[in-house]
Amino acid sequence: DARVTQTPRDKVTEMGQEVTMRCQPILGHNTVFWYRQTMMQGLELLAYFRNRAPLDDSGMPKDRFSAEMPDATLATLKIQPSEPRDSAVYFCASADSRDRGREKYNEQFFGPGTRLTVL
Amino acid sequence: GNSVTQMEGPVTLSEEAFLTINCTYTATGYPSLFWYVQYPGEGLQLLLKATKADDKGSNKGFEATYRKETTSFHLEKGSVQVSDSAVYFCALRATGTYKYIFGTGTRLKVLA
Repeated sequence: DARVTQTPRDKVTEMGQEVTMRCQPILGHNTVFWYRQTMMQGLELLAYFRNRAPLDDSGMPKDRFSAEMPDATLATLKIQPSEPRDSAVYFCASADSRDRGREKYNEQFFGPGTRLTVL
Repeated sequence: GNSVTQMEGPVTLSEEAFLTINCTYTATGYPSLFWYVQYPGEGLQLLLKATKADDKGSNKGFEATYRKETTSFHLEKGSVQVSDSAVYFCALRATGTYKYIFGTGTRLKVLA
């Protein structure tokens, strides 16, 4: 049963520290998304990649957040320095966005999330 | 721009009641439409989808029909169970983009 995996599942850190979250997309998926979920803002798209290239990171605070895909099996989201307002659940999702004839296989599969608490 | 609007929650129902969660969208072209469900402490998971007008998506007793004339994709279930308690998200993927637009989510609570 193919799944998106995320590590760590929970992270508690102090303000100013660097935080790195990792995501392993489903094997063969070529599109990876990073979302942030909070009670106040709901689900926000931070960035997404297709074929490892960043397509859109306009939802991400550029001064402290960075997202990369070092290879097709790993996506990372880094916050440096972290702030209390970054406390949220961060989800990674992957999808196979390759066209296959007339039908596009475009369902997103979400990971379990990383719950980040910045004190 | 593209957007999704879904009804505010929470929605509280008794077991076996009929469920409707409204979702309307704004998008150019012919978007694909989705309903995702999020159980407590978990990520979102696809509940059902429809990729063209008049398609009906269905799964686990839930249904939604892609209505282009009313730009709607309302979620329905004839008889809810306590285990259906979760947050439901309507979403779209517009033509020519890989980006998904999610609604704000509707929390459903089903009482025994």
